[in-house]
Order: sequence, then C-alpha cells, then structure tokens
Amino acid sequence: GENVEQHPSTLSVQEGDSAVIKCTYSDSASNYFPWYKQELGKRPQLIIDIRSNVGEKKDQRIAVTLNKTAKHFSLHITETQPEDSAVYFCAASGRGKLIFGQGTELSVKP
Amino acid sequence: DVKVTQSSRYLVKRTGEKVFLECVQDMDHENMFWYRQDPGLGLRLIYFSYDVKMKEKGDIPEGYSVSREKKERFSLILESASTNQTSMYLCASSLWSGMDYGYTFGSGTRLTVV
Repeated sequence: GENVEQHPSTLSVQEGDSAVIKCTYSDSASNYFPWYKQELGKRPQLIIDIRSNVGEKKDQRIAVTLNKTAKHFSLHITETQPEDSAVYFCAASGRGKLIFGQGTELSVKP
Repeated sequence: DVKVTQSSRYLVKRTGEKVFLECVQDMDHENMFWYRQDPGLGLRLIYFSYDVKMKEKGDIPEGYSVSREKKERFSLILESASTNQTSMYLCASSLWSGMDYGYTFGSGTRLTVV
C-alpha cells in the first residue's frame, strides 16, 4: 500500500544552525506534499506545501524541495530558533487523502 | 479562519463501552478525516468521508465506525472500547476542488480506556 518514510525520528541542533528532514513516498501518483508542525499539546498546523509541478518552494526560513524521479522531498529550516522546536510531519497525497510520515522531533538548543 | 472543533479534549471510558467522538467544521469542506496519533507511529487514518452519508475505510478501521449525516459533522464511533484504543484522536477537514489541499486539524481528543 501507500507509504511515507520520514527521517530522522529525532533531530537536535544548536540555535542558528540549519535542520533538514527527509521523506520518501511510494505512490508515484502522489502530487501534493504538505508539511505540518505540531507543538507540544497542540494540533498539527500546516507550515508549507508543494505540488508536483514545482521543484522547490520557500517561505522565509522554511523551504521544501521535491525530487519526483527519486520520490523524495525534504524540509529545510535555516537559522533555527528555539520556537522551531516541535514535531514535524511530512505527508503525500494518495487518492484524495494524505499519508503521513512517522514524524521528526526537532529540538533547537539555545 | 477554518475551525474544526472536537467535542472533548479528554475522555476516560471503560472497556466495552460504546464511545462517540464528535467533530464539526464550519467552512463547508467536503472532505473529513479521522486519524489516531500514537508515539513513533505518526498519524494513521481510521476513516474518511468525501460527502454526506459517504465513508471510506482508512488503514486501521477495525473496531471503529463513522457517521456523516450532515456535511459539517463527522462522528467516530468505538463500538466496544478496548484498552488498545487508548490514543489521541484527531479529526481533520479539507477543501476539494479537483485537487488535494492541506488539512485543518481539530485540537484532538485524548481517549483513555480503562
């Protein structure tokens, strides 16, 4: 069945460093790839998304890249800040629903 | 701003009870979803619905059923609650206009079955 693998499961960086989270997907028909941030005790919130006709998208310190041939996509956070600490989920569309990765717990140390 | 409201933040139920989790969205979204979230397993899809009175099984439907009598409301039913259904349950909705869009999630219901 459809599957999304996400790595790493935990990531610890110093404030100001960059963080990269990677995902691979199995369904070649997937054409929409959102990323969610979930702070402790809160609901997942959409932070950025990309469609299959675009290779890269940026929004301030956050960027997402997509390689359709290899079926993987990545989230890049630059100049990390303590408030970036959260669990991040990638997802890939599959027949009208989203398949989520297992999540990455990002810790940004001051 | 789209709002997805789940009726309870915390619930404690006994094994064997029938449990209803309610979800309401206020932006006329066609699609609604129920996920459960467990540490290390991410978000797993239980059931989803693209329209009123329509439902589709997700990846882990066993032990659950759903009801969508009105467009704005999507209910998850645990027919006979068991301890392995202790989890965080998240409802979500999304727009559909011929292409996929991101979900808006509710705040979640943390269910404990004792």
